[in-house]
Amino acid sequence: RKEVEQDPGPFNVPEGATVAFNCTYSNSASQSFFWYRQDCRKEPKLLMSVYSSGNEDGRFTAQLNRASQYISLLIRDSKLSDSATYLCVVNMYGRWPPDMRFGAGTRLTVKP
Amino acid sequence: ETGVTQSPTHLIKTRGQQVTLRCSSQSGHNTVSWYQQALGQGPQFIFQYYREEENGRGNFPPRFSGLQFPNYSSELNVNALELDDSALYLCASSSRDSEELFFGEGSRLTVL
Repeated sequence: RKEVEQDPGPFNVPEGATVAFNCTYSNSASQSFFWYRQDCRKEPKLLMSVYSSGNEDGRFTAQLNRASQYISLLIRDSKLSDSATYLCVVNMYGRWPPDMRFGAGTRLTVKP
Repeated sequence: ETGVTQSPTHLIKTRGQQVTLRCSSQSGHNTVSWYQQALGQGPQFIFQYYREEENGRGNFPPRFSGLQFPNYSSELNVNALELDDSALYLCASSSRDSEELFFGEGSRLTVL
């Protein structure tokens, strides 16, 4: 089993659509979870951290289910500028310095 | 505040050659992690350096090696290059205050 697995995509959605990405992780000891965004041929950048209670930042909502070892990212009212690859990231062993492992990424294309 | 910088940005090598990639961490960051990102894949963890020592390693052979210097900058060395080593090599720094990874723009290596 891969350490971090994501929906492979790609997702092609119209502007204004709601889209959800899923991610599972293998190590139940993992403590910290993140979503990064990577634009084409650019470096990844932090989109949001995922807290145990779930968190929301504008149109973006992240949720965590520790029992199922599952993380999700919901994007509401999609914009053209949301087109990117979304990477699920897990601090695998809950230690410092963090040992961050990435999923393969889910590509999103938002169309007019 | 200076961000993470990597050099060179692009390079072409032939099979069997050796390459050294360099990374300057963001000011105040003492941890550097290296990732390999093949086309269409997520970043794969190579290794991490903390206070000049290797602090964790992914599933990469010994011909991938590294260093961290007292100023926390780092090098990634790859010996006996293979065609499959062609990828974007990303360096990320982080500080004790946060788990956020700050990436450089990467070094794109092509092995012919």
